Amino acid sequence: TQLLEQSPQFLSIQEGENLTVYCNSSSVFSSLQWYRQEPGEGPVLLVTVVTGGEVKKLKRLTFQFGDARKDSSLHITAAQPGDTGLYLCAQTLPPRNFNKFYFGSGTKLNVKP
Amino acid sequence: GAVVSQHPSWVICKSGTSVKIECRSLDFQATTMFWYRQFPKQSLMLMATSNEGSKATYEQGVEKDKFLINHASLTLSTLTVTSAHPEDSSFYICSAQRGDNSPLHFGNGTRLTVT
Repeated sequence: TQLLEQSPQFLSIQEGENLTVYCNSSSVFSSLQWYRQEPGEGPVLLVTVVTGGEVKKLKRLTFQFGDARKDSSLHITAAQPGDTGLYLCAQTLPPRNFNKFYFGSGTKLNVKP
Repeated sequence: GAVVSQHPSWVICKSGTSVKIECRSLDFQATTMFWYRQFPKQSLMLMATSNEGSKATYEQGVEKDKFLINHASLTLSTLTVTSAHPEDSSFYICSAQRGDNSPLHFGNGTRLTVT
């Protein structure tokens, strides 16, 4: 079941531009993670956010967790071709015996040199 | 650390045969492993969750008799696609987790093509 909506689905920009992608849920997150996936490979974890209102920075990437813990955003400053990939948010739901991770619909980013 | 190895990386099989995919955590013990399926240009769909030594929990709509999961040890889980059909062709990805609330570590996926 796809509980997470990501927008935009596709984004093609020029090198040096800024961008923001969004992840929204109808449910409150236990935690939320952002991943980047390149074709033919598994996703690679970028960040985990847990606390409402939390902001984390990873070089040119800024991740924000909504106060109500139902949405998150990823902002990239001065995008580079190496940022190209599929960006996925993943939500964990409260466990019974263990956490489950459900992924958003994804944002495919293409940064042109 | 936290390396997950998935094997094979790609496989082509004939319709009606079975295919086994292995997922190993190389440098940590994985209390939980997850199996995902990904169609081209789409996101990851959770198929099942498995804990070592217990039966896997399948997501709604996933046939447990078709996708057999065995979590034999804290470092190995296998997914067997039984009696494969062309519609089973997809990218299958496993992930492993050290413990509750810890992040997922993914394998590099297995591209299955059923002819």
